[in-house]
Amino acid sequence: KQEVTQIPAALSVPEGENLVLNCSFTDSAIYNLQWFRQDPGKGLTSLLLIQSSQREQTSGRLNASLDKSSGRSTLYIAASQPGDSATYLCAVYSSASKIIFGSGTRLSIRP
Amino acid sequence: EAGVAQSPRYKIIEKRQSVAFWCNPISGHATLYWYQQILGQGPKLLIQFQNNGVVDDSQLPKDRFSAERLKGVDSTLKIQPAKLEDSAVYLCASSPTAGTGVGYTFGSGTRLTVV
Repeated sequence: KQEVTQIPAALSVPEGENLVLNCSFTDSAIYNLQWFRQDPGKGLTSLLLIQSSQREQTSGRLNASLDKSSGRSTLYIAASQPGDSATYLCAVYSSASKIIFGSGTRLSIRP
Repeated sequence: EAGVAQSPRYKIIEKRQSVAFWCNPISGHATLYWYQQILGQGPKLLIQFQNNGVVDDSQLPKDRFSAERLKGVDSTLKIQPAKLEDSAVYLCASSPTAGTGVGYTFGSGTRLTVV
């Protein structure tokens, strides 16, 4: 059974720092992995989608990597800003109907 | 392009009452998902539709929860009777196809409080 873990559960850093969020999964036989952002009281917004054949994806200040063999993905945020404060969730696609989310990392960027 | 629409935004009911949530996906999206998100946790898939057929409802508590997607467009999720532990945000999402994550779009959710 696929399990997805995100550590840390919460993180607070000063503005301008680079930071890394972690996601680990127990079954390496995955299709894709996706990182989402969730603002309070809102739904989830897709940030980056990494297909199983890829090792990383980049969008602006965000970079996500995927290492299937070790069951890990990281989301790197460069030059953090207060507007980056949100909960970040990773989701693993084990099949067309098996999408498992982690519990998220609640990120707070201090001005 | 309009997003995934959900209503109501908030609902407070007493335990043992019934409640229904509505979702209108993005036009043309064949796959529709209902998730339950308890505070501090990630979303848990309740049911997945492909057009108007059920693909996965393995985590749907079928003794009290039901869902339908008539005509393969909008969908309703019902809870009857509600329990205190059903307090959560119910998220609807849609995508053009299943299992890839491409075009995966969430609604803003319905926050249910059972008292």
